Amino acid sequence: GQQLNQSPQSMFIQEGEDVSMNCTSSSIFNTWLWYKQDPGEGPVLLIALYKAGELTSNGRLTAQFGITRKDSFLNISASIPSDVGIYFCAGRNTNAGKSTFGDGTTLTVKP
Amino acid sequence: ETGVTQTPRHLVMGMTNKKSLKCEQHLGHNAMYWYKQSAKKPLELMFVYSLEERVENNSVPSRFSPECPNSSHLFLHLHTLQPEDSALYLCASSQDWAQGDTGELFFGEGSRLTVL
Repeated sequence: GQQLNQSPQSMFIQEGEDVSMNCTSSSIFNTWLWYKQDPGEGPVLLIALYKAGELTSNGRLTAQFGITRKDSFLNISASIPSDVGIYFCAGRNTNAGKSTFGDGTTLTVKP
Repeated sequence: ETGVTQTPRHLVMGMTNKKSLKCEQHLGHNAMYWYKQSAKKPLELMFVYSLEERVENNSVPSRFSPECPNSSHLFLHLHTLQPEDSALYLCASSQDWAQGDTGELFFGEGSRLTVL
């Protein structure tokens, strides 16, 4: 089946630093989604990407849909303590229904 | 508040118990999902229901039994579980299963299950 490799597995950064994480796949997707899971909560969608090469921003977050359709990255600029959580990428092909999730990147931000 | 409510939030059960997890969505969505989240593992899709019909069953042991009485409610019935079944069980919903769907999943807060 399809697998996603998400890296890094965890990050420990100082407040104010920028963060970058990415996902790669052995097969192509036509949709990439990035979710964030706060402690004790379920994942919440941050950004959705629907077109190869697409670059989308949401506040301090920027994500890109790789041109090969096999990868995506998420950047967070000027991190703040509330950015703490687990970030998941997910790839999906519209007519296949289900999303395939990466293992997650756990982010810790030190004040 | 995502519009998806799960109860109970925490559950401790013995291996011989029978319990159920409940999920309710107030978003008017047609598809509902059960995911298992274990430590250091990716989210594992267990079951998918679209318009109250099961469309995905990912080789889940029969000790987990889903039920979808209508498009707003989803249950996961548990019986004779094993300690390795301890995990966070997440319910999610989406507008549709495939066609016309943006792909966005709306998750509940999860039910933390501990099997003794």
